[in-house]
Amino acid sequence: QAQLVESGGGVVQPGGSLRLSCAASGFTFSSVGMHWVRQAPGKGLEWAAFIGYDGRNQYYIDSVKGRFTISRDNSRNTVYLQMNSLRPEDTAVYYCAKDSKTYYIDYWGQGTLVTVSS
Amino acid sequence: EIVLTQSPATLSLSPGEGATLSCRASQSIITYVAWYQQKPGQAPRLLIYNGSLRATGIPSRFSGSGSGTDFTLTISSLEPEDFAVYYCQQRSRWPPLFGGGTKVEIK
Repeated sequence: QAQLVESGGGVVQPGGSLRLSCAASGFTFSSVGMHWVRQAPGKGLEWAAFIGYDGRNQYYIDSVKGRFTISRDNSRNTVYLQMNSLRPEDTAVYYCAKDSKTYYIDYWGQGTLVTVSS
Repeated sequence: EIVLTQSPATLSLSPGEGATLSCRASQSIITYVAWYQQKPGQAPRLLIYNGSLRATGIPSRFSGSGSGTDFTLTISSLEPEDFAVYYCQQRSRWPPLFGGGTKVEIK
Protein backbone atom coordinates (compact mmCIF):
# COMPACT_ATOMS: atom_id res chain seq x y z
CA GLN A 1 0.00 0.00 0.00
CA ALA A 2 1.46 3.32 -1.06
CA GLN A 3 2.05 5.88 1.66
CA LEU A 4 2.91 9.55 1.23
CA VAL A 5 3.84 11.85 4.11
CA GLU A 6 4.24 15.57 3.53
CA SER A 7 6.17 17.97 5.74
CA GLY A 8 7.50 21.52 5.65
CA GLY A 9 4.31 23.53 5.72
CA GLY A 10 3.87 26.55 7.97
CA VAL A 11 3.33 30.29 8.10
CA VAL A 12 5.47 32.53 5.90
CA GLN A 13 5.37 36.20 5.01
CA PRO A 14 4.57 37.36 1.47
CA GLY A 15 7.70 37.18 -0.64
CA GLY A 16 9.15 34.42 1.51
CA SER A 17 10.13 30.84 0.70
CA LEU A 18 9.27 27.35 1.89
CA ARG A 19 10.34 23.88 0.84
CA LEU A 20 7.84 21.06 1.10
CA SER A 21 8.95 17.45 1.27
CA CYS A 22 7.05 14.26 0.63
CA ALA A 23 8.40 10.90 1.80
CA ALA A 24 7.08 7.95 -0.16
CA SER A 25 6.91 4.28 0.72
CA GLY A 26 5.09 1.11 -0.29
CA PHE A 27 5.79 1.32 -4.03
CA THR A 28 8.70 1.61 -6.46
CA PHE A 29 9.17 5.36 -6.20
CA SER A 30 11.77 5.63 -8.97
CA SER A 31 9.36 4.27 -11.58
CA VAL A 32 6.45 6.69 -11.21
CA GLY A 33 5.80 10.38 -11.64
CA MET A 34 4.67 12.56 -8.75
CA HIS A 35 2.29 15.50 -8.46
CA TRP A 36 1.64 18.37 -6.09
CA VAL A 37 -2.00 19.44 -5.85
CA ARG A 38 -3.19 22.29 -3.66
CA GLN A 39 -6.48 23.32 -2.12
CA ALA A 40 -7.14 26.79 -0.78
CA PRO A 41 -9.34 26.95 2.35
CA GLY A 42 -12.93 26.13 1.42
CA LYS A 43 -12.07 25.86 -2.29
CA GLY A 44 -11.62 23.12 -4.86
CA LEU A 45 -8.59 21.14 -5.94
CA GLU A 46 -5.92 22.86 -8.03
CA TRP A 47 -3.24 20.82 -9.75
CA ALA A 48 0.11 22.61 -9.30
CA ALA A 49 3.10 20.60 -10.53
CA PHE A 50 4.31 17.23 -11.86
CA ILE A 51 7.70 15.57 -12.17
CA GLY A 52 8.45 12.51 -14.25
CA TYR A 53 9.85 9.31 -12.76
CA ASP A 54 13.46 10.24 -13.56
CA GLY A 55 13.17 13.94 -12.80
CA ARG A 56 13.82 15.05 -16.38
CA ASN A 57 10.34 16.37 -17.11
CA GLN A 58 8.51 18.94 -14.99
CA TYR A 59 5.22 20.71 -15.62
CA TYR A 60 3.61 23.57 -13.72
CA ILE A 61 0.38 25.49 -13.62
CA ASP A 62 0.90 29.01 -15.03
CA SER A 63 0.34 30.75 -11.71
CA VAL A 64 3.41 29.10 -10.11
CA LYS A 65 5.78 28.97 -13.08
CA GLY A 66 9.04 30.71 -12.31
CA ARG A 67 8.35 30.68 -8.56
CA PHE A 68 7.94 26.99 -7.69
CA THR A 69 10.33 24.15 -8.50
CA ILE A 70 9.47 20.47 -8.20
CA SER A 71 12.34 18.02 -7.76
CA ARG A 72 12.95 14.51 -6.51
CA ASP A 73 15.62 12.33 -4.94
CA ASN A 74 15.02 8.73 -5.94
CA SER A 75 17.72 7.54 -3.51
CA ARG A 76 15.65 8.99 -0.65
CA ASN A 77 12.17 8.22 -2.09
CA THR A 78 11.33 11.88 -1.65
CA VAL A 79 9.78 14.57 -3.79
CA TYR A 80 10.13 18.28 -3.03
CA LEU A 81 8.38 21.51 -3.85
CA GLN A 82 10.53 24.62 -3.48
CA MET A 83 8.24 27.63 -3.25
CA ASN A 84 9.72 31.12 -3.65
CA SER A 85 8.18 34.59 -3.87
CA LEU A 86 5.12 33.34 -2.04
CA ARG A 87 1.87 35.26 -2.30
CA PRO A 88 -1.24 35.27 -0.10
CA GLU A 89 -3.10 33.41 -2.86
CA ASP A 90 -0.66 30.49 -2.45
CA THR A 91 -2.24 29.78 0.93
CA ALA A 92 -3.53 26.21 0.72
CA VAL A 93 -3.20 22.63 1.83
CA TYR A 94 -0.57 21.10 -0.42
CA TYR A 95 -1.04 17.43 -1.26
CA CYS A 96 1.69 15.18 -2.56
CA ALA A 97 0.24 12.60 -4.92
CA LYS A 98 1.39 9.53 -6.82
CA ASP A 99 0.83 9.26 -10.54
CA SER A 100 -0.94 6.16 -11.75
CA LYS A 101 1.41 5.96 -14.77
CA THR A 102 -1.40 7.41 -16.88
CA TYR A 103 -1.33 10.92 -15.34
CA TYR A 104 -4.24 10.25 -13.02
CA ILE A 105 -3.60 10.30 -9.28
CA ASP A 106 -4.08 7.02 -7.46
CA TYR A 107 -2.65 7.85 -4.01
CA TRP A 108 -2.61 11.05 -2.01
CA GLY A 109 -0.84 12.21 1.12
CA GLN A 110 -2.76 13.85 3.93
CA GLY A 111 -1.52 17.31 3.01
CA THR A 112 0.48 20.08 4.64
CA LEU A 113 -0.88 23.57 5.22
CA VAL A 114 0.96 26.58 3.86
CA THR A 115 -0.20 29.99 5.06
CA VAL A 116 1.17 33.13 3.44
CA SER A 117 0.38 36.09 5.63
CA SER A 118 2.02 39.11 7.20
CA GLU B 1 -5.75 24.74 -21.37
CA ILE B 2 -8.83 22.55 -21.07
CA VAL B 3 -11.47 23.83 -18.66
CA LEU B 4 -13.81 21.39 -16.90
CA THR B 5 -17.21 22.66 -15.75
CA GLN B 6 -19.07 20.56 -13.20
CA SER B 7 -22.79 20.75 -12.53
CA PRO B 8 -24.71 21.16 -10.41
CA ALA B 9 -22.59 22.84 -7.77
CA THR B 10 -24.67 21.19 -5.06
CA LEU B 11 -26.95 18.17 -5.16
CA SER B 12 -29.33 17.63 -2.23
CA LEU B 13 -30.49 14.03 -2.02
CA SER B 14 -31.60 11.42 0.49
CA PRO B 15 -29.86 8.10 1.22
CA GLY B 16 -31.04 5.47 -1.21
CA GLU B 17 -31.63 7.94 -4.04
CA GLY B 18 -29.56 7.96 -7.20
CA ALA B 19 -27.16 10.78 -8.07
CA THR B 20 -26.08 12.04 -11.49
CA LEU B 21 -23.11 14.42 -11.65
CA SER B 22 -21.98 16.14 -14.82
CA CYS B 23 -18.56 17.24 -16.07
CA ARG B 24 -18.24 19.16 -19.33
CA ALA B 25 -14.91 19.83 -21.04
CA SER B 26 -14.11 22.92 -23.11
CA GLN B 27 -12.79 20.66 -25.87
CA SER B 28 -12.73 16.96 -26.57
CA ILE B 29 -10.80 14.89 -24.06
CA ILE B 30 -11.86 11.57 -25.63
CA THR B 31 -12.40 9.49 -22.45
CA TYR B 32 -9.41 10.81 -20.51
CA VAL B 33 -11.30 11.83 -17.40
CA ALA B 34 -11.11 10.70 -13.80
CA TRP B 35 -13.48 11.22 -10.89
CA TYR B 36 -12.41 11.73 -7.27
CA GLN B 37 -14.32 11.82 -3.99
CA GLN B 38 -13.29 14.07 -1.12
CA LYS B 39 -14.76 14.04 2.37
CA PRO B 40 -14.21 16.90 4.85
CA GLY B 41 -10.73 16.92 6.31
CA GLN B 42 -9.57 14.07 4.08
CA ALA B 43 -7.48 13.72 0.97
CA PRO B 44 -9.30 12.92 -2.27
CA ARG B 45 -9.79 9.32 -3.40
CA LEU B 46 -9.74 8.07 -7.00
CA LEU B 47 -13.08 6.54 -8.00
CA ILE B 48 -13.12 6.29 -11.80
CA TYR B 49 -10.44 6.68 -14.48
CA ASN B 50 -10.50 6.69 -18.28
CA GLY B 51 -14.11 7.71 -18.11
CA SER B 52 -15.62 4.45 -16.92
CA LEU B 53 -13.08 2.21 -15.18
CA ARG B 54 -13.52 1.80 -11.43
CA ALA B 55 -10.38 2.13 -9.32
CA THR B 56 -9.38 -0.65 -6.98
CA GLY B 57 -11.87 -1.23 -4.17
CA ILE B 58 -14.53 1.15 -5.48
CA PRO B 59 -18.09 -0.20 -5.06
CA SER B 60 -20.13 -1.03 -8.13
CA ARG B 61 -22.74 1.62 -7.27
CA PHE B 62 -20.27 4.14 -8.73
CA SER B 63 -20.15 4.27 -12.51
CA GLY B 64 -18.77 6.65 -15.09
CA SER B 65 -19.78 7.30 -18.66
CA GLY B 66 -19.34 9.71 -21.52
CA SER B 67 -16.87 10.67 -24.20
CA GLY B 68 -15.72 13.75 -26.06
CA THR B 69 -16.81 16.70 -23.95
CA ASP B 70 -19.63 15.36 -21.75
CA PHE B 71 -19.11 12.99 -18.85
CA THR B 72 -21.28 11.66 -16.05
CA LEU B 73 -20.63 10.10 -12.68
CA THR B 74 -23.60 8.08 -11.46
CA ILE B 75 -24.11 6.79 -7.95
CA SER B 76 -26.92 4.27 -8.22
CA SER B 77 -28.13 4.37 -4.60
CA LEU B 78 -26.55 6.76 -2.13
CA GLU B 79 -25.04 5.30 1.01
CA PRO B 80 -24.46 7.58 4.04
CA GLU B 81 -20.71 7.55 3.35
CA ASP B 82 -21.20 8.86 -0.21
CA PHE B 83 -22.12 12.38 0.88
CA ALA B 84 -19.00 14.29 -0.12
CA VAL B 85 -17.55 16.53 -2.82
CA TYR B 86 -16.77 15.02 -6.22
CA TYR B 87 -14.22 16.33 -8.71
CA CYS B 88 -13.49 15.42 -12.29
CA GLN B 89 -10.01 15.75 -13.79
CA GLN B 90 -8.78 15.47 -17.37
CA ARG B 91 -5.46 14.09 -18.49
CA SER B 92 -5.84 14.63 -22.23
CA ARG B 93 -3.55 17.66 -22.27
CA TRP B 94 -1.27 19.51 -19.86
CA PRO B 95 -2.13 20.89 -17.40
CA PRO B 96 -4.30 18.09 -15.95
CA LEU B 97 -6.81 20.46 -14.36
CA PHE B 98 -9.73 19.63 -12.09
CA GLY B 99 -13.31 20.76 -12.35
CA GLY B 100 -14.79 22.99 -9.67
CA GLY B 101 -16.52 20.13 -7.86
CA THR B 102 -20.05 19.00 -7.03
CA LYS B 103 -21.10 18.70 -3.41
CA VAL B 104 -23.55 15.89 -2.70
CA GLU B 105 -25.32 16.77 0.52
CA ILE B 106 -28.00 15.13 2.61
CA LYS B 107 -31.46 16.49 1.96
